[in-house]
Amino acid sequence: DADVTQTPRNRITKTGKRIMLECSQTKGHDRMYWYRQDPGLGLRLIYYSFDVKDINKGEISDGYSVSRQAQAKFSLSLESAIPNQTALYFCATPSFLNYGYTFGSGTRLTVV
Amino acid sequence: SQQGEEDPQALSIQEGENATMNCSYKTSINNLQWYRQNSGRGLVHLILIRSNEREKHSGRLRVTLDTSKKSSSLLITASRAADTASYFCATDEDSGYSTLTFGKGTMLLVSP
Repeated sequence: DADVTQTPRNRITKTGKRIMLECSQTKGHDRMYWYRQDPGLGLRLIYYSFDVKDINKGEISDGYSVSRQAQAKFSLSLESAIPNQTALYFCATPSFLNYGYTFGSGTRLTVV
Repeated sequence: SQQGEEDPQALSIQEGENATMNCSYKTSINNLQWYRQNSGRGLVHLILIRSNEREKHSGRLRVTLDTSKKSSSLLITASRAADTASYFCATDEDSGYSTLTFGKGTMLLVSP
């Protein structure tokens, strides 16, 4: 099993719909992150959580919300999707071994 | 806002040649990390260099850090076609919040 699992892998949704992206990890770390990647813009931080009771906004949190259901689960929601939220979304958690982040395979979201 | 800026944006070389990518950043950091991303997939952690280190090696990778110039370089020696990917630097800022800020990346193409 992958250390960080994201579902779904791909999703097409309509403008105005609510959508949830899910992330689970087996690394055992308290910290989890959601990033968004747009072509030519690198990764930008949406939300992060240092434990179940600690949720923090990142650089681009507007239009998004998160839920930390358990140490291993961190979900990202788009309450009312809009086309400029079309992007590749990544969940990540740090590694105890090398302090780098382990990323999931990503969710490619298209809002039409 | 982006912390790291990679240079060049794109690099095309032949197999066997060395590839050098540079990263500049703006604020003081705890560490700087380099990641690789194969087309549309999750990022993979390559190497971490701490602010009190000047050079680090891992296999064919060599990373340098110059905190006075707020810059880092990643050297891949004896490049292979399999090294074709996008490479990102990411900084862990000395702000106490322990999040990574990514640059926009360098796209490396290694031709056989």
